[in-house]
Amino acid sequence: RKEVEQDPGPFNVPEGATVAFNCTYSNSASQSFFWYRQDCRKEPKLLMSVYSSGNEDGRFTAQLNRASQYISLLIRDSKLSDSATYLCAVNRRSGYALNFGKGTSLLVTP
Amino acid sequence: AAGVIQSPRHLIKEKRETATLKCYPIPRHDTVYWYQQGPGQDPQFLISFYEKMQSDKGSIPDRFSAQQFSDYHSELNMSSLELGDSALYFCASSGDRDYEQYFGPGTRLTVT
Repeated sequence: RKEVEQDPGPFNVPEGATVAFNCTYSNSASQSFFWYRQDCRKEPKLLMSVYSSGNEDGRFTAQLNRASQYISLLIRDSKLSDSATYLCAVNRRSGYALNFGKGTSLLVTP
Repeated sequence: AAGVIQSPRHLIKEKRETATLKCYPIPRHDTVYWYQQGPGQDPQFLISFYEKMQSDKGSIPDRFSAQQFSDYHSELNMSSLELGDSALYFCASSGDRDYEQYFGPGTRLTVT
């Protein structure tokens, strides 16, 4: 079983829609949580760190639920340019290196 | 802002050859991580260095080795290459007390 699980999608949504992704992790001692965005054949780009209090950056909101061991990403008012794969990442048991989920594919259509 | 630099960007090798990948972290970042991403896969952690010492080890084959130098750049050395080593190899860096990792553009290795 992977340490980090994500629904692979794809999520196909129209422009302007709100879409939410969830990610579960197995290590209850994890301390660092992130969402990355990856475009085809490119490097993962850090989208947001996820804090216990939740955090928001423009149209993007991330939440952490430690009790249920999941993190979420909400994208409001989707843009065509949001089309990408969204990777959830959690620090490994042994340190700060990351375990990634398999990614959730998002396609925003006109 | 300066980003992580990786070289070469593309590399084609034959089976049983060796390859060396280089990574230059963001200035003032002291931690370097190496990840391997196969086709259709998520990035898999290989190895990391903090202040020139190996800090963590993941699923790195024994045929691979790495080190971090005094200027904080890192090199991943790969020997006896196999077809299955064909993948994107990413380097990421983070700063002291900042656990956010920033990825370089990657090296695409093709083994034929």
